[in-house]
Amino acid sequence: GAVVSQHPSWVICKSGTSVKIECRSLDFQATTMFWYRQFPKQSLMLMATSNEGSKATYEQGVEKDKFLINHASLTLSTLTVTSAHPEDSSFYICSVIVPPGNTEAFFGQGTRLTVV
Amino acid sequence: GENVEQHPSTLSVQEGDSAVIKCTYSDSASNYFPWYKQELGKRPQLIIDIRSNVGEKKDQRIAVTLNKTAKHFSLHITETQPEDSAVYFCAASFNTNAGKSTFGDGTTLTVKP
Repeated sequence: GAVVSQHPSWVICKSGTSVKIECRSLDFQATTMFWYRQFPKQSLMLMATSNEGSKATYEQGVEKDKFLINHASLTLSTLTVTSAHPEDSSFYICSVIVPPGNTEAFFGQGTRLTVV
Repeated sequence: GENVEQHPSTLSVQEGDSAVIKCTYSDSASNYFPWYKQELGKRPQLIIDIRSNVGEKKDQRIAVTLNKTAKHFSLHITETQPEDSAVYFCAASFNTNAGKSTFGDGTTLTVKP
């Protein structure tokens, strides 16, 4: 398996500010990480694929300038929600897959973002 | 792209009864189908998965069946216990790109003692 740690677990910020969420792969090097968003009582929606050393790949409808992703090392990807608004309040969760099978996804514990 | 539909959205059973959750997918290229259990405020955790070259897989009280022709797969939980209460998600992906799984909308399972 893989141990994925996400920080912070929850954050409250004021509207208009930016928030950075970290996703760390603790026990193996992850060239690819995935960022999901989950609204209450809804499913996980893939936002973007974070690629180490290159630009992230965003899913259709996700604003790349609003959700900045940086994957500067093999163990860390960050998601920055810029100029946050109340509608950005959600549960953000990252995942990694472990080669060579590249199948089972291991999730971080998630970050509950509340924008007030 | 892939579209995954999951039913029912809520399911309530008596302790000891069986629970069945069904999912359909649209992309015939999908070949990996995991099921995740998510407790409130926690991360999803894999409980069982199946690949397209297998029709059924069982792990103790949990089983998954896959019908490739009909493009549907199901989760079966037998002898349910209160601790099985959670939200269950099915997902579909092509295994070399499994991180880009498409998830169903989830089923909230409640097991009444």
